[in-house]
Amino acid sequence: AQSVTQPDIHITVSEGASLELRCNYSYGATPYLFWYVQSPGQGLQLLLKYFSGDTLVQGIKGFEAEFKRSQSSFNLRKPSVHWSDAAEYFCAVGEISNFGNEKLTFGTGTRLTIIP
Amino acid sequence: DADVTQTPRNRITKTGKRIMLECSQTKGHDRMYWYRQDPGLGLRLIYYSFDVKDINKGEISDGYSVSRQAQAKFSLSLESAIPNQTALYFCATSDTGLYEQFFGPGTRLTVL
Repeated sequence: AQSVTQPDIHITVSEGASLELRCNYSYGATPYLFWYVQSPGQGLQLLLKYFSGDTLVQGIKGFEAEFKRSQSSFNLRKPSVHWSDAAEYFCAVGEISNFGNEKLTFGTGTRLTIIP
Repeated sequence: DADVTQTPRNRITKTGKRIMLECSQTKGHDRMYWYRQDPGLGLRLIYYSFDVKDINKGEISDGYSVSRQAQAKFSLSLESAIPNQTALYFCATSDTGLYEQFFGPGTRLTVL
C-alpha cells in the first residue's frame, strides 16, 4: 500500500529565509506526487505535482519540489519565504489508473510558522 | 462563486444524532470524495464516487454513509454521531483523466 511520511510536524522559519519541507513516499510503481497547501480556515490548494519527466517541478507562489527516486523523496522548497506562506503543507501520493487520479494518500502535514 | 461548496461550514451536534453534510460542485467533474482531517493524522479518505452509480468505501468508512444524488451533489451522513467523529470534513472533486483534486472549504463538525 502506498504511504507518505512528513517527518517534520512543525517548522519555524524567519521571513526571507529559505525553506525546505521533507516528504518521503512508499509506492510500488512510478509515483504521482503532489504538494497541497492549507491556509488557516481554508480548504486545500494544489501547489505543484509530479508525474514524469524533469525531476524539478515548479509550482505556484514561488515553490518548487524535487523528485529523487533513489531517496523516495519529494521535498518542497522555496528560496525566500513570505509571511503569507504560513500554513499547513501536505504531501500526497496518487494512485493513478488509465482513467485518472483514483485516490490520494496524504501525509500528516507540516505546519509552517513564519517569524518576522 | 466557489466551485466546490460545503454546507454547513460549522455544526455542533450531540451524541446519537443523525447529521448530513452536503457538498455541491459546479466544475462538472464526475469524481467526488469525502475526507476527514484530524490534527496530526492528515486527511483520510472516507468515501469516493466516480459517477452517480459508483460509490466506494475509503479507508475509514465505518460509521458513515454517502449519497450521490446527482453529478454535482455528494452528501455524507453520520447516522448516529459519536464524539470521535469530531473533525474537519472536506469534499473534493476530480475529473476523469485529470490528476488534480479540488477541495471545498471544509465543514467543522463537533459531536458533544
